[in-house]
Amino acid sequence: EVQLVESGGGLVQPGRSLKLSCAASGFTFSNYYMAWVRQAPTKGLEWVASITNSGGSTYYRDSVKGRFTISRDNAKSTLYLQMDSLRSEDTATYYCTRDRILRSWGQGVMVTVSS
Amino acid sequence: EIVLTQSPTTMAASPGEKVTLTCLASSSVNYIYWYQQKSSASPKLLIYYTSSLASGVPDRFSGSGSGTSYSLTISSMEAEDAAIYYCLQLTSTPTFGGGTKLELK
Repeated sequence: EVQLVESGGGLVQPGRSLKLSCAASGFTFSNYYMAWVRQAPTKGLEWVASITNSGGSTYYRDSVKGRFTISRDNAKSTLYLQMDSLRSEDTATYYCTRDRILRSWGQGVMVTVSS
Repeated sequence: EIVLTQSPTTMAASPGEKVTLTCLASSSVNYIYWYQQKSSASPKLLIYYTSSLASGVPDRFSGSGSGTSYSLTISSMEAEDAAIYYCLQLTSTPTFGGGTKLELK
């Protein structure tokens, strides 16, 4: 069974950093493209970033370029999202998703950016 | 950026009723993907490549469309189908539609 378990969320002040992790199991992690999708409170879904299976290519939405970094450790079957210079508009539940068509989703982790 | 516009924003359907949700793209896309999100749960893939049913999804769900106009149809509404439905395009930078909230009448 595919499992994606996010961690690392919490309350953080504007301008500070936070690093999210997603522990994957139940499949061969190194074979899959992975992505982060977020959902602000009471809002819709928003793609954030994606990474190829090798980690060789990464993609970002414009609003997070230069502030967020997606990465992966295939030996640990773990996906990461380093979030720097956080803004209030980054407040959301962040989901870890598997493959290009977002076939599997984690339970999500809440990130609140507030002073 | 390709904008996806979903309609209606909200609707209610009675058990057994046929439901059709639409997703219009601002530019032509190759495929549309549909997701279902219940209450506070994580989204779940329903339809991929416009019309292929994801594993475990009841066959009362179906998808169709091409170019800029796509739809998700539920042939016979059931109580468990009450949820928010989102469409997604991957032809260019991924974008989601704003969602359609489907309620049980």
